[in-house]
Amino acid sequence: AQSVTQLDSQVPVFEEAPVELRCNYSSSVSVYLFWYVQYPNQGLQLLLKYLSGSTLVKGINGFEAEFNKSQTSFHLRKPSVHISDTAEYFCAVSDSFYKLSFGAGTTVTVRA
Amino acid sequence: EAGVTQFPSHSVIEKGQTVTLRCDPISGHDNLYWYRRVMGKEIKFLLHFVKESKQDESGMPNNRFLAERTGGTYSTLKVQPAELEDSGVYFCASSQVGAGPFPRFGPGTRLTVL
Repeated sequence: AQSVTQLDSQVPVFEEAPVELRCNYSSSVSVYLFWYVQYPNQGLQLLLKYLSGSTLVKGINGFEAEFNKSQTSFHLRKPSVHISDTAEYFCAVSDSFYKLSFGAGTTVTVRA
Repeated sequence: EAGVTQFPSHSVIEKGQTVTLRCDPISGHDNLYWYRRVMGKEIKFLLHFVKESKQDESGMPNNRFLAERTGGTYSTLKVQPAELEDSGVYFCASSQVGAGPFPRFGPGTRLTVL
């Protein structure tokens, strides 16, 4: 069984400041890791994924995440946010090739 | 490429009524999934179809929920009778077989049971 913990439910941040969203997971097997974003009134969109290989993963819109196996973490970062990054972000894990387990979500609010 | 579509976008019903949610996956996607997010909590897996066959329905909460995928195209999720705790957002997602565990999600149907 897997579980995902997103350590921050709300993250307010000023425009052009950096942001980090924290995600920890628990699993007894090797996993695949994901970050999804949900913009207001839209569906979930895949930001980035870790399947294997390099532990630093780059995604869309300038986001990146680093897989840390020893700390079972997959934190998401962006060096400079824009107003348009206001959204809810979900960390997810899968140990199979079809089922995802999600965290509770982190709402990022970017202020001018 | 058209995305995953879901209908309706919102539904408000009384406790004890029946509601049917519909999902149209991306054309050619044999994998179809239903997920649910209740009251700002985690998004949870409900079930997985490959074409018209249910591969995994371990996440279905109880027998008030019935999912179908006739002909391997669109899918419906029926809740009968609806209870207050069924309120939430129901997401549908689809992917090609072998494409990996990162399906394309629809916008969701927000269900409110009063």
